[in-house]
Amino acid sequence: EAGVTQFPSHSVIEKGQTVTLRCDPISGHDNLYWYRRVMGKEIKFLLHFVKESKQDESGMPNNRFLAERTGGTYSTLKVQPAELEDSGVYFCASGGVRYNEQFFGPGTRLTVL
Amino acid sequence: QKEVEQNSGPLSVPEGAIASLNCTYSDRVSQSFFWYRQYSGKSPELIMSIYSNGDKEDGRFTAQLNKASQYVSLLIRDSQPSDSATYLCAVNIPTDKLIFGTGTRLQVFP
Repeated sequence: EAGVTQFPSHSVIEKGQTVTLRCDPISGHDNLYWYRRVMGKEIKFLLHFVKESKQDESGMPNNRFLAERTGGTYSTLKVQPAELEDSGVYFCASGGVRYNEQFFGPGTRLTVL
Repeated sequence: QKEVEQNSGPLSVPEGAIASLNCTYSDRVSQSFFWYRQYSGKSPELIMSIYSNGDKEDGRFTAQLNKASQYVSLLIRDSQPSDSATYLCAVNIPTDKLIFGTGTRLQVFP
């Protein structure tokens, strides 16, 4: 069974540019989560999809972040315009129904210069 | 006070010893508890989950949960150098999101 995949693995952009991160969850997982880890801090929740619906987006930092999950399959997270403080590793996780176990993808390391 | 607290370490143990990793949490409505292992530059890997008070064993790993004390721990028996990693404690609250600690770095030396 393939795990969670994320693309790209690294992205370096300049302040003010736009970046779109993609996550493909484990096949059959309805739950998809985005998390972020900034340097020296703990991993923090951004939002949660159940199929194509946003269940909880309480962790989204501001309206420069837009997440979508069209068709309930893969998800994208767009940052527009990017700011320096957006740098970090963005993880996607997916889960089935078993006690909310969540399986993480390899992450996208975003650097905003 | 952080919602999930862990000692950052490093915790250094000799090969073959028992490594004990601890975690406390503040939200009493927390329902599920997880330990993730993260090697440098890699993604968190789920290694243990526990939902009720007591011990849960899986191979060399034992998770212990005490909801009254808001405490969860991970024991690694017969530690190996390959166990050297950062161990993340994560707590699930009813809205389904995970709250993570900052992680404990474990070093197992030969």
